[in-house]
Amino acid sequence: EPEVTQTPSHQVTQMGQEVILRCVPISNHLYFYWYRQILGQKVEFLVSFYNNEISEKSEIFDDQFSVERPDGSNFTLKIRSTKLEDSAMYFCASSDGQGAYEQYFGPGTRLTVT
Amino acid sequence: QKEVEQNSGPLSVPEGAIASLNCTYSDRGSQSFFWYRQYSGKSPELIMFIYSNGDKEDGRFTAQLNKASQYVSLLIRDSQPSDSATYLCASPPGAPGGGADGLTFGKGTHLIIQP
Repeated sequence: EPEVTQTPSHQVTQMGQEVILRCVPISNHLYFYWYRQILGQKVEFLVSFYNNEISEKSEIFDDQFSVERPDGSNFTLKIRSTKLEDSAMYFCASSDGQGAYEQYFGPGTRLTVT
Repeated sequence: QKEVEQNSGPLSVPEGAIASLNCTYSDRGSQSFFWYRQYSGKSPELIMFIYSNGDKEDGRFTAQLNKASQYVSLLIRDSQPSDSATYLCASPPGAPGGGADGLTFGKGTHLIIQP
């Protein structure tokens, strides 16, 4: 069964450094999303992406964040200058844009900022 | 601000019994609702979605939606120890933007199935 994949599974970085989290959505899906989950808290929406541009973004998704689809398979989230509070699980999700727009999540990347 | 509320639990249910998980939402315009299961340290896994009033059944799972009461529930019949997890209720915005919509999640209910 097709699934969303994410790399790396765990990323440790120092405060102020740039990180890029990578995702490969399900191959025939058209909508892509990033969410984050701080330990012990809710899953929070960051951004959605369709047709090579951002569709929606939350208040969390400020100028420090950017997304890109550099080729036909990868979808990336970049954090330009990481802060301690960026430490969280980051989940990529994708949807085929049909029916109820069900979103399927990848396994996540645990980002630890020291 | 749109809210999705869940009792965080833990909800403890004996093996073989019915587990009932509840969710309320604040946005009257919300059209569809999703139930995800999340094991500790893992990602959310989609179990079911519902967008019509009434019941929707899939195997041991039944989702129920009551738009008048702004209430969604998930019933798990014949509960198994492997059902022990956190169950997340989620919904897109009430003014649907189609696939572009991000989901608003509740905090989740921690379910424990006791053997």
